[in-house]
Amino acid sequence: QLQLQESGPGLVKPSETLSLTCTVSGGSISSSNYYWDWIRQPPGKGLEWIGNFYYSGNTYYNPSLKSRVTISVDTSKNQFSLRLSSMTAADTAVYYCAGSMGGISTQWGQGTLVTVSS
Amino acid sequence: DIHMTQSPSTLSASVGDRVTITCRASQSINSWLAWFQQKPGKAPKLLIYKASSLESGVPSRFSGSGSGTEFTLTISSLQPDDFATYYCQQYNTYPWTFGQGTKVEI
Repeated sequence: QLQLQESGPGLVKPSETLSLTCTVSGGSISSSNYYWDWIRQPPGKGLEWIGNFYYSGNTYYNPSLKSRVTISVDTSKNQFSLRLSSMTAADTAVYYCAGSMGGISTQWGQGTLVTVSS
Repeated sequence: DIHMTQSPSTLSASVGDRVTITCRASQSINSWLAWFQQKPGKAPKLLIYKASSLESGVPSRFSGSGSGTEFTLTISSLQPDDFATYYCQQYNTYPWTFGQGTKVEI
């Protein structure tokens, strides 16, 4: 059973860059079966898909965030990461990592709350 | 982007009720639609994929239907554990997009 766990800072200052890591267990991040997604949810609001990474190296980003987002993979650690630059209060959210098959997010991490504040 | 609209936004129901939630897409997404259940403080849980396929382990009281632009999630007999927020998500065209959510409350 695939399991995912997010890690990273809970507080980021405005204009800084957020870096989050998702550690995958129970499966290989190099598997051709999965896409590796980041999704976020502002407090009390709905879900927003940020982007994903496929083992072949292909990445897909939400155009609304594309200029600020980078998703990368560290196969040696079975991890994938999110970097989101120029953070503002509007980026305050719970950030989820997920493993997706055919576009369907079947396995999710528990989520990590990131607050943007000085 | 494909815009997903759910209705209603909030639904008041009782245990045993039959509940239907609608999701409309701004353009055809064929059957590439998923439904998720989310409880407070928890990650979303996949219920239905490809519009009508039940995820393994999900109770059979949950069902999905539709294709093209209009979809429904039905709970045949609402149970206490089903009070939650439900989201639809299209995965036909990038970027994947979600509906705004439907909160099912007592």
